[in-house]
Amino acid sequence: TQLLEQSPQFLSIQEGENLTVYCNSSSVFSSLQWYRQEPGEGPVLLVTVVTGGEVKKLKRLTFQFGDARKDSSLHITAAQPGDTGLYLCAGRIGGYNKLIFGAGTRLAVHP
Amino acid sequence: DTGVSQDPRHKITKRGQNVTFRCDPISEHNRLYWYRQTLGQGPEFLTYFQNEAQLEKSRLLSDRFSAERPKGSFSTLEIQRTEQGDSAMYLCASRELGTGTGSGANVLTFGAGSRLTVL
Repeated sequence: TQLLEQSPQFLSIQEGENLTVYCNSSSVFSSLQWYRQEPGEGPVLLVTVVTGGEVKKLKRLTFQFGDARKDSSLHITAAQPGDTGLYLCAGRIGGYNKLIFGAGTRLAVHP
Repeated sequence: DTGVSQDPRHKITKRGQNVTFRCDPISEHNRLYWYRQTLGQGPEFLTYFQNEAQLEKSRLLSDRFSAERPKGSFSTLEIQRTEQGDSAMYLCASRELGTGTGSGANVLTFGAGSRLTVL
């Protein structure tokens, strides 16, 4: 059982569509991060959220941290083929020094 | 080079052989982490070091796995008597030791990984 559940597992859309992916847990996280990973590469950090209810924007990407700090969402507006990749959420619980990752959402954006 | 380097990038071995992976972290980063990622899954924590001290090991790290960071700089991860279930991407990450829980805390920089295939 994953501590962080990501949904959907797979998403295949056309260029220009909007999408939202979710990261949910029953645990409270002191901080939560979103990473993007391309095949054969390591994950690359997109954003860190630390405050309940926090919203951060990164160009066409909008990240939200739930009020209770148990869930997060990533919304992409007008998706482009370059957005294709594996989107991972990762959280830190309390004073633990390791990040716990979800299984990821694999996004394919077709021209 | 300002990134995390891992070597080799790919390793194919026969079951029962030993393999060793190396990670060179960002030079000013004193924390170093090893993760394992299998197909279709997110990275799973294996172990981490603060300088040369190994501070935590996951239950995933069986006695066939050993990690070292002898001088607090590069690290090695050795797998003895490899099994087919060890086939995975082994990711190394590093970060600075910081305080607080702000947005800059706990930011890991990952290497490109070492992909192991056990035949």
